[in-house]
This record gives sequence, structure tokens and C-alpha cells, in this order.
Amino acid sequence: GAGVSQSPSNKVTEKGKDVELRCDPISGHTALYWYRQRLGQGLEFLIYFQGNSAPDKSGLPSDRFSAERTGESVSTLTIQRTQQEDSAVYLCASSLTSGMVETQYFGPGTRLLVL
Amino acid sequence: QKEVEQDPGPLSVPEGAIVSLNCTYSNSAFQYFMWYRQYSRKGPELLMYTYSSGNKEDGRFTAQVDKSSKYISLFIRDSQPSDSATYLCAMSEATGGGNKLTFGTGTQLKVEL
Repeated sequence: GAGVSQSPSNKVTEKGKDVELRCDPISGHTALYWYRQRLGQGLEFLIYFQGNSAPDKSGLPSDRFSAERTGESVSTLTIQRTQQEDSAVYLCASSLTSGMVETQYFGPGTRLLVL
Repeated sequence: QKEVEQDPGPLSVPEGAIVSLNCTYSNSAFQYFMWYRQYSRKGPELLMYTYSSGNKEDGRFTAQVDKSSKYISLFIRDSQPSDSATYLCAMSEATGGGNKLTFGTGTQLKVEL
């Protein structure tokens, strides 16, 4: 079946502009995660959604970052007033549930470059 | 100090070699240990998953966890050019309420013909 998809695959923006990144999880997956991968660094957890529960936003680096998810479907990650240090690959993952043994399936990522 | 340390490489080996990849960590609360493989411009894919200490084998891959030393390893036997990728270790705590993963920086592996 279809995997996790993300759009756009690449985004170039100017400093100070807002960007919106989209993630389509695998159908039926209740848990959805956003991670950021900066050059030369490991993936950093940003935010996690589980069904209709309140999201875990503990990884968001600043209040310029926000994310939404409608039910158990699409999620959008919004970065306001982008800064050059926001340049990174933003990865989305989904899993069947939020349990410890559940595999997280990653999308291909959105490569964001802030000029 | 980062919670998870991983040598970024690059690591270059001849085809057929045994590859050893390692991570160390500082958070004693980590209970779940994973290895992901990431090809260029792709998302990571799960290779191996281990709970607590011990070994796990899957085909040419063996994962080892030594919680007393806070050290995990991934061994690849009979390495193939198709194994060329970046290998990421990842860990999580058994706290429930989500499976937030903490990743190493990844080790870039190249298996040469």
C-alpha cells in the first residue's frame, strides 16, 4: 500500500516568510510524528499526535513552530517568520498506534532552505 | 553532551566485509533501541528493534545492546554494495504516551566492489 507522503519535496523561501509543510500518513495509522534533520545532526523530535488526544509539543524549538492534524489524517507543520537556522529536512512518520513496539514509517521528507 | 553519540564516518569497507556500527548513550532511562537505514534523499526505514539488553539477529544483521555500558552495536555480515547508506541508531524511554525517538547523527557506510 501507499507509504507516508510529504509535500512539497523541496521548498526554498526567504527569511521572514511563513511556510507550511504537509504530511499524509499511512491510512489507519493513529500516531503521527514530526522530526527535523539538520545537516550533520541526528533527527530531532518536534511534535507527536495520537488520535484525538492533545498533541505532545515538547520538541517544538520555538513558538514560531506549530502543527495541526485533523483526526487521523493529514498533518501540517507551519513555520512562521522563517530563519536561516530553520533550514533542514523535515520528516514525518506514522505508526499504527503510539505503543513502544510500533514501527514508525517515515516519509521522504521536505527539504527546506531559508535564504 | 548529546544524549546519543554516533561516529558520523564515513566508513568504507570492501564487499563481503563484516561491518560494526556503534552508538553510546547517556540516558539510563532508554529501554528501546532501534537501528534505521537511510538512503540518500529518502526517509529512514527500520532495520532492527531491541528491547533492553541482549542480542537480536535478522539475516545478515545482528543488533546488540549492553545497557550496563550504555552501548549498542549493529553488525552487518557479508556486506553488499546495496548496504551503502547512512545508519542511524535511535532510542526511546518506556514512559508510554508516545514513542518519541532520540537519534544519533548517523554513520555513513560505503561498501565497495
